[in-house]
Amino acid sequence: AQSVAQPEDQVNVAEGNPLTVKCTYSVSGNPYLFWYVQYPNRGLQFLLKYITGDNLVKGSYGFEAEFNKSQTSFHLKKPSALVSDSALYFCAVRDNGAGNYQLIWGAGTKLIIKP
Amino acid sequence: NAGVTQTPKFRVLKTGQSMTLLCAQDMNHEYMYWYRQDPGMGLRLIHYSVGEGTTAKGEVPDGYNVSRLKKQNFLLGLESAAPSQTSVYFCASSYSATGDSPLHFGNGTRLTVT
Repeated sequence: AQSVAQPEDQVNVAEGNPLTVKCTYSVSGNPYLFWYVQYPNRGLQFLLKYITGDNLVKGSYGFEAEFNKSQTSFHLKKPSALVSDSALYFCAVRDNGAGNYQLIWGAGTKLIIKP
Repeated sequence: NAGVTQTPKFRVLKTGQSMTLLCAQDMNHEYMYWYRQDPGMGLRLIHYSVGEGTTAKGEVPDGYNVSRLKKQNFLLGLESAAPSQTSVYFCASSYSATGDSPLHFGNGTRLTVT
């Protein structure tokens, strides 16, 4: 069965430090992986995606994510956190091998950046 | 650049009442979706549409109905609201449902059923 796990409900990081938000997935075919961010009282916004090619993907607001096929992970990273990065982050996967194009969502990780 | 617009933003219903949520997109997207978001559960797909005049069930369709009479609009209906339908509802659209097409979301409707 397809699934996405975000093992941390909350991540706390000091401003200026590097941040990582973890995501692991399980699909039967080739994964298409996405990260979205949700600010309070707003809808989700697309950050970045991995389809194929380079394992390191760069996205909006200085975020990047590393696809690791052997560990079935797609962790979100940023070299230097900003207070404005505080938000709820969602990982999602689409299994193109299954012929089902629906997204499977993680439960979300709350990122808190402290000044 | 409106993107995806949802109305209303907030609504309180009593058990058994009905209501319709409206979603409109101005990006000429074929695919539209309705999700509900509950704490600690991520997003769950209610219904979706792959084009004008089509609808399909998602993960949690019971108690909801949808219609896509025009390409730009996707309506979500609750015929007889229940407290379990208290949630935040998000509409989204995408250019296609294949591979790399990201979703564009509205800002949500917070529904409380008492």
